[in-house]
Amino acid sequence: NAGVTQTPKFRVLKTGQSMTLLCAQDMNHEYMYWYRQDPGMGLRLIHYSVGEGTTAKGEVPDGYNVSRLKKQNFLLGLESAAPSQTSVYFCASSYGAAGMYGYTFGSGTRLTVV
Amino acid sequence: DQQVKQNSPSLSVQEGRISILNCDYTNSMFDYFLWYKKYPAEGPTFLISISSIKDKNEDGRFTVFLNKSAKHLSLHIVPSQPGDSAVYFCAAYSNYQLIWGAGTKLIIKP
Repeated sequence: NAGVTQTPKFRVLKTGQSMTLLCAQDMNHEYMYWYRQDPGMGLRLIHYSVGEGTTAKGEVPDGYNVSRLKKQNFLLGLESAAPSQTSVYFCASSYGAAGMYGYTFGSGTRLTVV
Repeated sequence: DQQVKQNSPSLSVQEGRISILNCDYTNSMFDYFLWYKKYPAEGPTFLISISSIKDKNEDGRFTVFLNKSAKHLSLHIVPSQPGDSAVYFCAAYSNYQLIWGAGTKLIIKP
């Protein structure tokens, strides 16, 4: 009964380093999303996927790339980390349109770029 | 340009009383509105949603009201319990995207 699992939970990067955040869901959901949350702000959509092999840009996609090679996994990559990417990152999945079913979220990854 | 606004950063309510959380939006094209609850170090948890064609939806202690003419929705929690202390986010859905408010921290006092 895992739901949505994010790894790692915490990470500190130096400016210019790269990393990949992994999101895995075991609910057979078609839709998956990556969000970032910054202090005093709501969640902002980075990228999303409506099915295996598909990805699309959200509100704040610059500096990030994603891949959905398998239905259950959604990877978020930072090619060259910048201090502005210090944030808490949340992955989510949904069965259908989020309005009707809501999202299931992971517990987040706290990333600090120094 | 914030499309979804929660103007109260925090709200304190006595246990057993009603908690009312408010949210305003600017875009008439939103299809659904949702409320999420978030505890520290956890992801948001879906609470309740309402379609843009309805004006009320109820689920146990939680009721969401939608006033389309005022572009305003509210979440009522009755009665408020200590476990309701959390940050509540309002979100609006359109075209695969959820637009989120900044959240309201609800504190339930014993």
